[in-house]
Amino acid sequence: EPEVTQTPSHQVTQMGQEVILRCVPISNHLYFYWYRQILGQKVEFLVSFYNNEISEKSEIFDDQFSVERPDGSNFTLKIRSTKLEDSAMYFCASSYGTGYQPQHFGDGTRLSIL
Amino acid sequence: GIQVEQSPPDLILQEGANSTLRCNFSDSVNNLQWFHQNPWGQLINLFYIPSGTKQNGRLSATTVATERYSLLYISSSQTTDSGVYFCAVARAGSYQLTFGKGTKLSVIP
Repeated sequence: EPEVTQTPSHQVTQMGQEVILRCVPISNHLYFYWYRQILGQKVEFLVSFYNNEISEKSEIFDDQFSVERPDGSNFTLKIRSTKLEDSAMYFCASSYGTGYQPQHFGDGTRLSIL
Repeated sequence: GIQVEQSPPDLILQEGANSTLRCNFSDSVNNLQWFHQNPWGQLINLFYIPSGTKQNGRLSATTVATERYSLLYISSSQTTDSGVYFCAVARAGSYQLTFGKGTKLSVIP
């Protein structure tokens, strides 16, 4: 069964540095998402992306964050000037469509800011 | 935004027991998914069930969209069922899944 793959599985970064989290969505999917989960808390939506632009974003997704689909297969989340509170598990997801289509999640990247 | 409430927050079961997890939501939805988060943090997709009933082995789920709730049934529980179960919904017209706080299930031998 096709899967969403995320790299790296664990990223350790110094506070203030930039980090790029990478995702390869399922190949025929058209909609892409990033979510995050701070340790011990629920999963929170960050952003959705379709047709090379952001479709929807949450209050968390401020100017520190950006997303990009640099080629036909990768989908990236960039976090500039990382803060301690950015430490979390970041999940990428994809779906064939919106609404009446399930979202498929990757295994996540655990980001630790020191 | 839409509210998602899951109950119970914690559940301890003896191996072999059955359980029912509940998810209430505050608005009409066009997507409802149940996930199992294992001890390694992976989110395992259990069901996509915006309405109706589905079964997969020892697990089944029912969503009554008109009454805004969904139930996840686990029968003959095993220790490997331990973890956190999340319900997530998307409002009509929205792309984002809103997750509940989860039910932490512990199955003891």
